[in-house]
Amino acid sequence: LAKTTQPISMDSYEGQEVNITCSHNNIATNDYITWYQQFPSQGPRFIIQGYKTKVTNEVASLFIPADRKSSTLSLPRVSLSDTAVYYCPTRGSQGNLIFGKGTKLSVKP
Amino acid sequence: NAGVTQTPKFRVLKTGQSMTLLCAQDMNHEYMYWYRQDPGMGLRLIHYSVGEGTTAKGEVPDGYNVSRLKKQNFLLGLESAAPSQTSVYFCASSPEVKVGTIYFGEGSWLTVV
Repeated sequence: LAKTTQPISMDSYEGQEVNITCSHNNIATNDYITWYQQFPSQGPRFIIQGYKTKVTNEVASLFIPADRKSSTLSLPRVSLSDTAVYYCPTRGSQGNLIFGKGTKLSVKP
Repeated sequence: NAGVTQTPKFRVLKTGQSMTLLCAQDMNHEYMYWYRQDPGMGLRLIHYSVGEGTTAKGEVPDGYNVSRLKKQNFLLGLESAAPSQTSVYFCASSPEVKVGTIYFGEGSWLTVV
């Protein structure tokens, strides 16, 4: 069964770059790596996905090495509003996304 | 574009009462899901549906039933509510499983006393 591991929490200061790494155990060959963001009292929100190498959008960058055993979500110059829980879900046997506990990012002024 | 809409947003139930949570999506997605989220537990899949008229069990299906009579709606029912079902419930939908991108509603806070 595929499983991901990511840090439980991280602290940062405004303006810093934050990198959150997720290890992907037994990710399927044809599966994409996705990251979600969840603010308190809201549902998770998709922020980025990739298959290999690097993907960048207006919110974040995603780095995936060739072996796809890990991925790193990079948030440039974080602000207080980036305080949230970040998930790198894995695919369950039923095709559903398994979210785990995520990484709680706290950005301080 | 409303996306995924859940009703009600808040509800307090007495033990043994029944209720139904309604999820509606306007994106013509085939797949719909119900998750529950408890402190420190992440999101756990209750039931899901891969199309109109179909339902399947997720990780924690006991005590819940679902129906997908229309493509845009996915109903989650609690026949006899228990305090252990106090949780935040999230509905989600996606165009297909392998894409990986799913869209969540804003959540329904349920308290069973």
